[in-house]
Amino acid sequence: KAGVTQTPRYLIKTRGQQVTLSCSPISGHRSVSWYQQTPGQGLQFLFEYFSETQRNKGNFPGRFSGRQFSNSRSEMNVSTLELGDSALYLCASSLDPVLNEKLFFGSGTQLSVL
Amino acid sequence: AQSVTQPDIHITVSEGASLELRCNYSYGATPYLFWYVQSPGQGLQLLLKYFSGDTLVQGIKGFEAEFKRSQSSFNLRKPSVHWSDAAEYFCAVGARSGGSYIPTFGRGTSLIVHP
Repeated sequence: KAGVTQTPRYLIKTRGQQVTLSCSPISGHRSVSWYQQTPGQGLQFLFEYFSETQRNKGNFPGRFSGRQFSNSRSEMNVSTLELGDSALYLCASSLDPVLNEKLFFGSGTQLSVL
Repeated sequence: AQSVTQPDIHITVSEGASLELRCNYSYGATPYLFWYVQSPGQGLQLLLKYFSGDTLVQGIKGFEAEFKRSQSSFNLRKPSVHWSDAAEYFCAVGARSGGSYIPTFGRGTSLIVHP
């Protein structure tokens, strides 16, 4: 069974640009969540989707957005990139849509903003 | 609001020695607690979880953790560390929000294993 797949693996952008990251969950998993990981702030929750609906959103500005498609694949978008957006963005999927008792993480997308 | 504190940023142990990583949480209700491990360049992998019942939980790779409500702690232990255990370890508490539980992670403890 394939794991959580995130593309691209690495991304370099400049300030002011926008970026779209993709996440394909494990087959059968309908809950997808996104995290930002930085050395300074650690792992911070961005948002969670279930059945194409955003259920939860973390404390991030509106420049961060996401969506989920009918096949459970998810994308997140960051507009007007800032230097501080440089981070590892992790996607996780879960079979249990309530307890999220076991999150399966992808290897992440490393975003560098120059 | 919930929070997790991992007091040790780095821990160094010798291969074969025992290990204990500390985790303290703050949450108003019954906590759902997790330990995840992250190897360099990889995502996180669940080691073990606690929801209810026996306060000593067994996980993968020979790890165990003990939930102590009176101390708000969920420390991770391993009797004998292997070089392959060198990684970043994250404790997390799941908090109810919007119909699901969202984990809040601690800042992590980096484990260094000396041969």
